[in-house]
Amino acid sequence: DGGITQSPKYLFRKEGQNVTLSCEQNLNHDAMYWYRQDPGQGLRLIYYSQIVNDFQKGDIAEGYSVSREKKESFPLTVTSAQKNPTAFYLCASSIPVGGGKLFFGSGTQLSVL
Amino acid sequence: AQTVTQSQPEMSVQEAETVTLSCTYDTSESDYYLFWYKQPPSRQMILVIRQEAYKQQNATENRFSVNFQKAAKSFSLKISDSQLGDAAMYFCAYRSASFRNNNDMRFGAGTRLTVKP
Repeated sequence: DGGITQSPKYLFRKEGQNVTLSCEQNLNHDAMYWYRQDPGQGLRLIYYSQIVNDFQKGDIAEGYSVSREKKESFPLTVTSAQKNPTAFYLCASSIPVGGGKLFFGSGTQLSVL
Repeated sequence: AQTVTQSQPEMSVQEAETVTLSCTYDTSESDYYLFWYKQPPSRQMILVIRQEAYKQQNATENRFSVNFQKAAKSFSLKISDSQLGDAAMYFCAYRSASFRNNNDMRFGAGTRLTVKP
């Protein structure tokens, strides 16, 4: 079945540590996105990529980094510069134009130890 | 930048009754798409319904329908015959139709719907 796989489901970060969240899709979508969701809040865009080897900052990119070396993969690194990383992280993909819906992964809950 | 506003943080409805969730948005574009997503306690995002701005006809999916008022920039979701499984967080979302506008999706803050048996 086609879909988006996020791993791990739960992740704990120690102070000063970088952690990487994985996102893989087999939908053959060009566009991929990372969103952050805080409790009781909406989704805020961190980074997005419309094509391999290219990505753009979203509204809250500070303290995060991404790469897009393969069409299927869009990992997100939460760096030590992100002082408040505890949140639920959602990865999504879509066709880049035409108003297509976003397909979402099941998310990663990141917490600080 | 486009913004999406959901003015009802929480709503409740009796089982089998009808409820309407409100959403307004701000944009200078004429061509775009609007969505309602449902997020149950599992936190999986599920598409409920999608509306194309150039279509005047309101979208309908079984018990879910929208009231799209383009001039007023309003996009409400009506849930008929509410069921216990409809209890969730509901997000209104906007997506530009223009590739040049980066085409990301903008979300409102959400409305938490409770269904009472």
